[in-house]
Amino acid sequence: EDKVVQSPLSLVVHEGDTVTLNCSYEVTNFRSLLWYKQEKKAPTFLFMLTSSGIEKKSGRLSSILDKKELFSILNITATQTGDSAVYLCAVIEGAQKLVFGQGTRLTINP
Amino acid sequence: SQTIHQWPATLVQPVGSPLSLECTVEGTSNPNLYWYRQAAGRGLQLLFYSVGIGQISSEVPQNLSASRPQDRQFILSSKKLLLSDSGFYLCAWSVTRYSGTYNEQFFGPGTRLTVL
Repeated sequence: EDKVVQSPLSLVVHEGDTVTLNCSYEVTNFRSLLWYKQEKKAPTFLFMLTSSGIEKKSGRLSSILDKKELFSILNITATQTGDSAVYLCAVIEGAQKLVFGQGTRLTINP
Repeated sequence: SQTIHQWPATLVQPVGSPLSLECTVEGTSNPNLYWYRQAAGRGLQLLFYSVGIGQISSEVPQNLSASRPQDRQFILSSKKLLLSDSGFYLCAWSVTRYSGTYNEQFFGPGTRLTVL
């Protein structure tokens, strides 16, 4: 059975800290891995990673994929209270089906 | 630009009542469309996806059904709701896949359904 596992499930840090969120996966027909940020409602797209070892960066957020070890990390540097959210990892499997992890709830305290 | 709409935003329904949630996409043609459910504190579970009008794939056996009567309209239905149908329902779209191209999905605002 395809699965995506995120860790930690919950993380509380102080503003300014750097955090690393983890996502490991086991899917039959891996295509790409995506990261989303979910605040109150709909998840918003952050990154899509298809190739191993190529870092994607957007401001203070960055992510990288390791297809040999079957995991990805999402880094957030100099965290701000606005980074508080649930971060979802998902894998595109086969015909564009997304298999989601359970999410990491990140709380940034001032 | 593309936008995706879902309604209603919130719904409270008694057990055994019917359900109809609607999703429409603007600004694109022939999108792939998806219905997800997110139970409290959990990740998203794919319920249905559609690659074209009248084409529905079901991912998990359940009390729900989906239909795509028009290119940019996706409807989630139930004849009789169960307590376990409560959750946050999200519709998503992606660009139609071409060989070797895999595209991110964009989500609508969601419908929070409470079955009492």
